[in-house]
Amino acid sequence: NAGVTQTPKFQVLKTGQSMTLQCAQDMNHNSMYWYRQDPGMGLRLIYYSASEGTTDKGEVPNGYNVSRLNKREFSLRLESAAPSQTSVYFCASKGRVQYEQYFGPGTRLTVT
Amino acid sequence: QKEVEQDPGPLSVPEGAIVSLNCTYSNSAFQYFMWYRQYSRKGPELLMYTYSSGNKEDGRFTAQVDKSSKYISLFIRDSQPSDSATYLCAMRGGRRALTFGSGTRLQVQP
Repeated sequence: NAGVTQTPKFQVLKTGQSMTLQCAQDMNHNSMYWYRQDPGMGLRLIYYSASEGTTDKGEVPNGYNVSRLNKREFSLRLESAAPSQTSVYFCASKGRVQYEQYFGPGTRLTVT
Repeated sequence: QKEVEQDPGPLSVPEGAIVSLNCTYSNSAFQYFMWYRQYSRKGPELLMYTYSSGNKEDGRFTAQVDKSSKYISLFIRDSQPSDSATYLCAMRGGRRALTFGSGTRLQVQP
C-alpha cells in the first residue's frame, strides 16, 4: 500500500496563477483533509471531506477550493495564488479509528 | 488565544537524557489527545494517543493527560539521536478534525 500520495512535491507559482494539488489514498478511508503548515503556526485545517460527496470548510479556507472526486481522491485548488499561500501543504486521511490520521509527504509551494 | 499552545523550542538535549514535551489547551470538549512525530521534510506520523485523562506507556515513550489542568505531556526516556524531530500535540473533541499545536523541535546530540 502506498498510503497517502501527493503531487506535485514542489511547485513555484507567480502571483495570480492557478494550480491544483492532487491527493490520493489507497486505505479505503472515508475522511480526507487538507492542511497547511507554516513556521510557528503548526498545522491548520483548510478543508475536509467526511465522506465522498461532502466537503466542509476548516480554519483557513479563503483562497482555496476542494473537490472530493471519489473515495480515493481529494484535490485542493488555488484559483489565483497569492504570496500568503506560500506554505507546505499536507493531505491526510482517516478511517474509523478516531484518533489517527495518515499524512502524505507534503507539497512545498512558493508563490512569488 | 490559540486553542492549543505548544512551546516551539528548539530543545537540545544530550543522548540518553529524559525529554519532556508539553501542551496546554483551552477547549474542555477535547477527549482524544495525540502526539505526532514529524521528521524534516516528511509528513507527521502518529506516535501515541490517549483517551481522556491518564497515562500511557509505549517503550521509551510515556504520554500523560491531566484534563483538570488542561495539560498534556510526552516523556521520552533514554533519548536517541533518531528521536530528533518535531513533535506535534493534537487533540480532538466533538469536531471531525484534529486541532494541532505548533510543534516542538527536538535535537538529541550524540
